[in-house]
Amino acid sequence: GQQLNQSPQSMFIQEGEDVSMNCTSSSIFNTWLWYKQDPGEGPVLLIALYKAGELTSNGRLTAQFGITRKDSFLNISASIPSDVGIYFCAGLSGTYKYIFGTGTRLKVLA
Amino acid sequence: DAGVIQSPRHEVTEMGQEVTLRCKPISGHDYLFWYRQTMMRGLELLIYFNNNVPIDDSGMPEDRFSAKMPNASFSTLKIQPSEPRDSAVYFCASSPWTGGAREAFFGQGTRLTVV
Repeated sequence: GQQLNQSPQSMFIQEGEDVSMNCTSSSIFNTWLWYKQDPGEGPVLLIALYKAGELTSNGRLTAQFGITRKDSFLNISASIPSDVGIYFCAGLSGTYKYIFGTGTRLKVLA
Repeated sequence: DAGVIQSPRHEVTEMGQEVTLRCKPISGHDYLFWYRQTMMRGLELLIYFNNNVPIDDSGMPEDRFSAKMPNASFSTLKIQPSEPRDSAVYFCASSPWTGGAREAFFGQGTRLTVV
């Protein structure tokens, strides 16, 4: 099945650092969602974006809906150990099928 | 709200046996999705329902897989007969899809191991 490209695939960062990741597609989407998945758990919704150019925050997390509608970005400020996990983007076009990204695995060094 | 509830959390079965996974969506959500997650293929949509009616089952791997939604609060995914390659984590998700809200909320998943 189709998957969105996420970058980076994985990253190690120091506690307190800011983190940036992105998600790109060859197709246009009208909704972008960002999820975090902890080991052994289901994906948990972090942020939903509905308009091109939209910038939305949830605590230390900020996500943006790309102007081209083919990409989205997630930033985490002042990372903490509990930010460890896999971050997934998901795009939605005219159908009800959410297309998920390949995931960015984040590891935080205390 | 209790969220999406899936059972069992873990299932180990022998090849050839029938497996039934269960899901209770969030009350009031009209859309229900079944996903499968593997390392190789990531999160794949298997099937989704709207108001208990299957809308798109093009992601169902083969005839061994079937899904039902007899009412708004319950859905099952059945594999018969199961094979080792069916080993994966299966997620159920639901969405309200009202007022422009298009977020999908996931359950904790069922980890299936077929030996």
